[in-house]
Amino acid sequence: GAGVSQSPSNKVTEKGKDVELRCDPISGHTALYWYRQSLGQGLEFLIYFQGNSAPDKSGLPSDRFSAERTGGSVSTLTIQRTQQEDSAVYLCASSSYLTLKNIQYFGAGTRLSVL
Amino acid sequence: SQQGEEDPQALSIQEGENATMNCSYKTSINNLQWYRQNSGRGLVHLILIRSNEREKHSGRLRVTLDTSKKSSSLLITASRAADTASYFCATDGRGGSNYKLTFGKGTLLTVNP
Repeated sequence: GAGVSQSPSNKVTEKGKDVELRCDPISGHTALYWYRQSLGQGLEFLIYFQGNSAPDKSGLPSDRFSAERTGGSVSTLTIQRTQQEDSAVYLCASSSYLTLKNIQYFGAGTRLSVL
Repeated sequence: SQQGEEDPQALSIQEGENATMNCSYKTSINNLQWYRQNSGRGLVHLILIRSNEREKHSGRLRVTLDTSKKSSSLLITASRAADTASYFCATDGRGGSNYKLTFGKGTLLTVNP
């Protein structure tokens, strides 16, 4: 597709369940980012991928959060044993290092609600 | 603390008026960007200004950057109801951390018809 695609767009889960969020970046973009946005807040950086490796995982809030990227393309963010404070919009973005500018292209996000 | 801090937090104006939003940051940067977000979903890149630039225009948008004050402003001229959205500034770091954008909490702009 032409843009960054995220699925599902909405996810409702029960506390304690695991969830997987998916991101399809723009084709050819080597860099991929995950952010979290809580209601009325700015974006909180979670993790950055360059290709399949994650040189910066500093934003992952706990060891319940993990992410992987395969084939330099699709990425999944997994949250284990979800808690109510995990409720937020999870945004994925990708960018190209063919230019010197880090302009990021965002997906529409996954709205996660933990009951 | 946030690298980018926008003010005001919320701004309400009438259609046709100009809207000005400000952003302050704390550390040296390569570039500063402004993004727009509708309805709490994905962000859309609006404009990028390099650290060696002072002003940039794109359509009805004008961005200024003052690196001595570590601040930027976004001016939207002749606003329209469709400009209603949240606006975020984002800064990147110098050197090895230039991949990472740090976003502020945003300014919620409401343009009343």
